[in-house]
Amino acid sequence: AQSVTQLGSHVSVSEGALVLLRCNYSSSVPPYLFWYVQYPNQGLQLLLKYTTGATLVKGINGFEAEFKKSETSFHLTKPSAHMSDAAEYFCAVSESGTYKYIFGTGTRLKVLA
Amino acid sequence: DGGITQSPKYLFRKEGQNVTLSCEQNLNHDAMYWYRQDPGQGLRLIYYSQIVNDFQKGDIAEGYSVSREKKESFPLTVTSAQKNPTAFYLCAATGRGHTEAFFGQGTRLTVV
Repeated sequence: AQSVTQLGSHVSVSEGALVLLRCNYSSSVPPYLFWYVQYPNQGLQLLLKYTTGATLVKGINGFEAEFKKSETSFHLTKPSAHMSDAAEYFCAVSESGTYKYIFGTGTRLKVLA
Repeated sequence: DGGITQSPKYLFRKEGQNVTLSCEQNLNHDAMYWYRQDPGQGLRLIYYSQIVNDFQKGDIAEGYSVSREKKESFPLTVTSAQKNPTAFYLCAATGRGHTEAFFGQGTRLTVV
């Protein structure tokens, strides 16, 4: 069965510092992997996704993530945090050819001035 | 604009009442989903539908019902059998040529 683990339900960084949000997954087949961002009382917006090909994926707002099969990880990074990055971030996995998505429990990012 | 529209944004329900949450999409996507979001628990799948007139239970379907009479519409009814319905509900859709799910803006349901 597929599952997603996000380490750290809350992460705080200073403005301008590196953002690292961790995601590990389990899947019996090559997965599709996603990072979504959610602002308060809003839906989820896709940040980036990995399906096939290049393992380093660039997304919107300066975020990127690297698919590491050997570590079953898909960590999200951004070199320099901005106040507007404060939000909740969700990692998700789906199996190619299926319609089911499994979401992690989310990481709330706080950016300190 | 193409997208997913959920209504209402806020909904209050008295105990013992059924309420229906609306979800409409103009993306022409085949599959639609309902998720429930509670603090610290992420998103949990309630129901999903891959085609019109067909739907499957997700992980927490008890106390909920859905219908899929039209491709663009997937309403969710929260019945009186759902003992703890206060939550944020998200509708999503995905389709051919897209690997990711597209989300609506959510409905916050509160039992009063």
